[in-house]
This record gives sequence, C-alpha cells and structure tokens, in this order.
Amino acid sequence: ETGVTQTPRHLVMGMTNKKSLKCEQHLGHNAMYWYKQSAKKPLELMFVYNFKEQTENNSVPSRFSPECPNSSHLFLHLHTLQPEDSALYLCASSQDSRPQRGIQYFGAGTRLSVL
Amino acid sequence: KNEVEQSPQNLTAQEGEFITINCSYSVGISALHWLQQHPGGGIVSLFMLSSGKKKHGRLIATINIQEKHSSLHITASHPRDSAVYICAALPRRGNTDKLIFGTGTRLQVFP
Repeated sequence: ETGVTQTPRHLVMGMTNKKSLKCEQHLGHNAMYWYKQSAKKPLELMFVYNFKEQTENNSVPSRFSPECPNSSHLFLHLHTLQPEDSALYLCASSQDSRPQRGIQYFGAGTRLSVL
Repeated sequence: KNEVEQSPQNLTAQEGEFITINCSYSVGISALHWLQQHPGGGIVSLFMLSSGKKKHGRLIATINIQEKHSSLHITASHPRDSAVYICAALPRRGNTDKLIFGTGTRLQVFP
C-alpha cells in the first residue's frame, strides 16, 4: 500500500465513450502526476500538477483532459479515445514536484483497453 | 535512441544468485531513481541517487557520474524479487519535473 489509490483498476471502453480515471493520495503531498505506460515503451509523463496548478503538459492529445480539484485528488477524463491509447495509466504523487528533492509514490494503475 | 538505456532487457536467475542490472544515460543529471514494478502494475521507488552508493536490505544501488552509469544489485535473490526494475533520470537542464525512464529490466527468479 503506497498511499496512492487509483480507480478503476481495469476499464474497457469504446471509442465513443466518455470515462474518467480517479486518483487519490493520502500522503499530504502537493504534487501529482499522470503517466502512460505502453507495452515495451518507457513510462511517459503526461501531466504534472503542483498545488492544484498544472505545471507540465507533455504534448498530450486533447482527448485526455486532467482535473485537479485539490491536492489530494486527480482525475483524467477520457473521450473519443483511439485503440492506441490502450495502456496502463499510472498516477503518482510527491512532496515536491522537483524529483531530485522528493520521491514519487505510485498507484497501482488503471489498465485501459479501448475497443 | 532513448536517453536512458537499461541492460539486460530480460534476466532470469536461480534463487540465491547475485543480480546486477545496469543503467546508462546520456544527459547530465541531478538525480537517478531506481523503481520496482510488480506484475499487478504498482510501482515502488527503491532508491534516489546523486552520487556514490546506497544500500537497503539486499538491494544496493551505485552510480558513477563521470561514466554516466548506475547499477542495481540484488544479493541472495529470492522469487519475490521477480519484477520489472526501472531506472529514471532527472536531467539537470532547465527547471523540469520530467523524469526520463528506461524501458525496464524484467527479472524472474526461480526457486
């Protein structure tokens, strides 16, 4: 148990669906991250939030829309996804958004399949 | 070519063997992380290094800044060590939060 909880753990959706991934951290951290992990590829950073403000958007398509209502919760809203978006989506949090001063704690991920 | 390369990609070992996983990077870094990902998907941070060597239980991580190389060693390996081990570098350039990840080394330890 890392203190970062992601729901759902598994999600299957059609290309026309709208769904949301949720991440919650109970560690008192002020930075939260969304990562995408595809098979045989390195982890890709998608978004970073620091004190609820987005500080990084790594050229992510607009069909992925993040939301950070407070420092403990992070959402990733999904709409009109493509099959190549099928991947493991990981949420992480850290005390400080500069990783050399902190260590990121990861959730278990949401395994997303787009049909 | 990825800025962070790991070797080997896959590794199998018998219980009790000494394991070494290597990570090379081509950028100047502020820190290097070693992470462990179990089959369920969750990732655990093992070490954060900026110089020298760190030890935690049977795990040892070393880094050589001049050679841009880090190693993760597992002594007396056990089947529960089976996981994907990932190194990630924080580049020194700019004010970035962006870790650069290797593709991971899949380790299987057999009884």
